[in-house]
Formats: sequence, structure tokens, C-alpha cells
Amino acid sequence: NAGVTQTPKFRILKIGQSMTLQCAQDMNHNYMYWYRQDPGMGLKLIYYSVGAGITDKGEVPNGYNVSRSTTEDFPLRLELAAPSQTSVYFCATSGARQDTQYFGPGTRLTVL
Amino acid sequence: GQQLNQSPQSMFIQEGEDVSMNCTSSSIFNTWLWYKQDPGEGPVLLIALYKAGELTSNGRLTAQFGITRKDSFLNISASIPSDVGIYFCAGHKRGGADGLTFGKGTHLIIQP
Repeated sequence: NAGVTQTPKFRILKIGQSMTLQCAQDMNHNYMYWYRQDPGMGLKLIYYSVGAGITDKGEVPNGYNVSRSTTEDFPLRLELAAPSQTSVYFCATSGARQDTQYFGPGTRLTVL
Repeated sequence: GQQLNQSPQSMFIQEGEDVSMNCTSSSIFNTWLWYKQDPGEGPVLLIALYKAGELTSNGRLTAQFGITRKDSFLNISASIPSDVGIYFCAGHKRGGADGLTFGKGTHLIIQP
């Protein structure tokens, strides 16, 4: 039972490049979330999903897109990478108790 | 966006000492959670609090949900070296954007 997995662990992008951060869970949780964590700060919500086919914006959605075609996967897409998107990205899930969230190990992204 | 006010920002303690940290907000939350983050890892859930006034323990950790629903504290008794890390409080509002609101973290350092 792996819980929440994220790939890749690290990535360096050039300005203007695009990439997809992968998140997968095997806990059969309906809710999934993407957060970013900037140095010395708490996490901020980018997007979330309450189930397959349903997504919504969080606090800082600009520059990102998401899709949720299955319960297990919730990829985060960066279309035109900018230095301001340098951050650590965490995926999280929650089940019956929506308010209790479990986090993956994170993806550290640097945009140069 | 709102962030929770978490203090202290960092703590330097001796092994065996007790630790206390707290989190306050200008608005009400319906759930308070405490997470620990080790370097290069995702946040790990320590304690979840669901009811105002609730006091919950997890081993040497004890947390309380403030009566006003605007604050919470976390105590660690008899600290050990593996307690080193960053502790985050997080709040959830029922009917909100479904994400968690985080504090900036308390960095716990144990001096030999």
C-alpha cells in the first residue's frame, strides 16, 4: 500500500517549457489536492478535485491546469514555466473525512 | 490569502525538554490539524482535532482545539532527537474551498 506517490522527485525546467507533475494514490480516496510550498512558507492550494471528472481552483491556480479522469490519478500541468513557479509541489488526498488530508513526498521544481 | 499565525518561528531546545507551540487565526476553523515535515519529505499528519475544546494525544504529543475555534496548540513532552523537523498547523473551514490553510511552521532544533 504505497499511499500517495509523486513523480518526478526533482525537475529543472527552462522558462517557457511545459511539464506534467504526476500524482497517484491507492487509498481509494475521492478528494485530491495540489499544493505548492515556497521557502519558509506554509502550503498554498493550487487546485483540488472532489472526484473523477470534477476539478476546481484553489488559492493560486494561475499558470497551472489539472484533470482527473480516474480516482487514482490527478496530474498537474504547467504550460509555460516561469521562475515564479519554482517551488515544491505536494499532492494530497482525503477520504471520508474531507478535512483530514494525507500528503505525498513532493516534487521539487526549479525554473531557470 | 489567509495564513495562520504560528509561533514560535523556531525553537532551540535540549533533549528531554518539553516543547509548546501554537497557532492562531482571525477567523473560525472547524478542524485543526498538526503536521510534521522532515527535510525533503511531505508533511505527515500527527494529530487531527474536530471539536472545539478537544484535547487529543498521540504518544508524547498532545494538541488542543481552542474553545473560540480560532486557535490550537501542540505540546511535545520529553523531546528526543527524532523530533527535529518543521511542525505545521493547518485549519479547515466547512464549506470552504476544500483545501487546508497552513501556518508558516515552527522549526524545532534539538541541541546536543
